[in-house]
Amino acid sequence: DAGVIQSPRHEVTEMGQEVTLRCKPISGHNSLFWYRQTMMRGLELLIYFNNNVPIDDSGMPEDRFSAKMPNASFSTLKIQPSEPRDSAVYFCASRNQQGKNTEAFFGQGTRLTVV
Amino acid sequence: AQSVTQPDIHITVSEGASLELRCNYSYGATPYLFWYVQSPGQGLQLLLKYFSGDTLVQGIKGFEAEFKRSQSSFNLRKPSVHWSDAAEYFCASFKAAGNKLTFGGGTRVLVKP
Repeated sequence: DAGVIQSPRHEVTEMGQEVTLRCKPISGHNSLFWYRQTMMRGLELLIYFNNNVPIDDSGMPEDRFSAKMPNASFSTLKIQPSEPRDSAVYFCASRNQQGKNTEAFFGQGTRLTVV
Repeated sequence: AQSVTQPDIHITVSEGASLELRCNYSYGATPYLFWYVQSPGQGLQLLLKYFSGDTLVQGIKGFEAEFKRSQSSFNLRKPSVHWSDAAEYFCASFKAAGNKLTFGGGTRVLVKP
């Protein structure tokens, strides 16, 4: 398996623009997580899905952030409009929740810079 | 609320010396516990995991961790560090019945020659 695939790896955008980050989970995994990593706040869980349904979005910082999972093999995290303080590394992870003693697998992350 | 605490932000250790990274969790029942490692510019790689059973868990790269219910701890250890162990280490937990993976703040390990 290719693992969790995130795209793009790097994104530079201007303040006010819309940004869409993409994630393809590992085939067969039914849980998907979006995290944001910054020096100041560490790894923050933004939202997670079970079976394509958002379960907990309490970590989404504000209405400018939205996430979707239209099917089991694809998820997006959208920021509209983007602001410089959104600059961070965004990680996607997936897990087979129905499996016994399973861990979450992480993608390589998307480094977002908003100028 | 479920939380994970890593008291040490930075640790510097000499190559060949032993290493212990601390992790404490706050949750009434036994959580599922993990240690991940992150090298610069990379994603997170699982070192080891604990779900139940033997409280001493062996992982990859020579790491081990011990679950101590009485201390709500899951400390990571390595008997002899290598320069390649320089990285950031994260402790994480699920509630046993849930699926919300929460991370500690991380400990950055520097290895001196």
